[in-house]
Amino acid sequence: GEDVEQSLFLSVREGDSSVINCTYTDSSSTYLYWYKQEPGAGLQLLTYIFSNMDMKQDQRLTVLLNKKDKHLSLRIADTQTGDSAIYFCAEMANNLFFGTGTRLTVIP
Amino acid sequence: DADVTQTPRNRITKTGKRIMLECSQTKGHDRMYWYRQDPGLGLRLIYYSFDVKDINKGEISDGYSVSRQAQAKFSLSLESAIPNQTALYFCATSPSPGLFSGYTFGSGTRLTVV
Repeated sequence: GEDVEQSLFLSVREGDSSVINCTYTDSSSTYLYWYKQEPGAGLQLLTYIFSNMDMKQDQRLTVLLNKKDKHLSLRIADTQTGDSAIYFCAEMANNLFFGTGTRLTVIP
Repeated sequence: DADVTQTPRNRITKTGKRIMLECSQTKGHDRMYWYRQDPGLGLRLIYYSFDVKDINKGEISDGYSVSRQAQAKFSLSLESAIPNQTALYFCATSPSPGLFSGYTFGSGTRLTVV
């Protein structure tokens, strides 16, 4: 089946950039997504990228896709304490398959 | 009001009890899903439904059943709860295929089986 992998934890200092990485297995995925989960809340769609793109920028967020290596990353510029959350990457392969989630901790 | 509403928000139940988690949506989406979240495992798909007459098993359907009572309602049942079903459960919806299929999630039901 599909396998989506992420590091479990990342800590950064406020104001620095955060880079969260993800690898996936299904090369036929049409869309890849980043979701954010704040404490006690459901998942909120942050951004997505279509599989024929290699980069997408949306304000402080930059998504990079390396389709050859099946590698997806999310860069958050000028990370703020409000960015502390769990970030999930997900690939669309018939249904949405999620990674394990990366817990981002922003240190003031 | 939330687009996807899950009830209850929290539930503690005893081993062997039957329990139902409910989900309703106002998005008008055809597709509905149940996921469970466990620390370090991400979200895993339990069941999904593409319309009222369609029910499909996901990765981890054993011990669970679902009912799609209407386009807007999708409930998850644990026939005989066991402690390793303690988890955070999410319902989600999405539009039909061919469109950008971002999922909309409910706020989750935290279930504890003791």
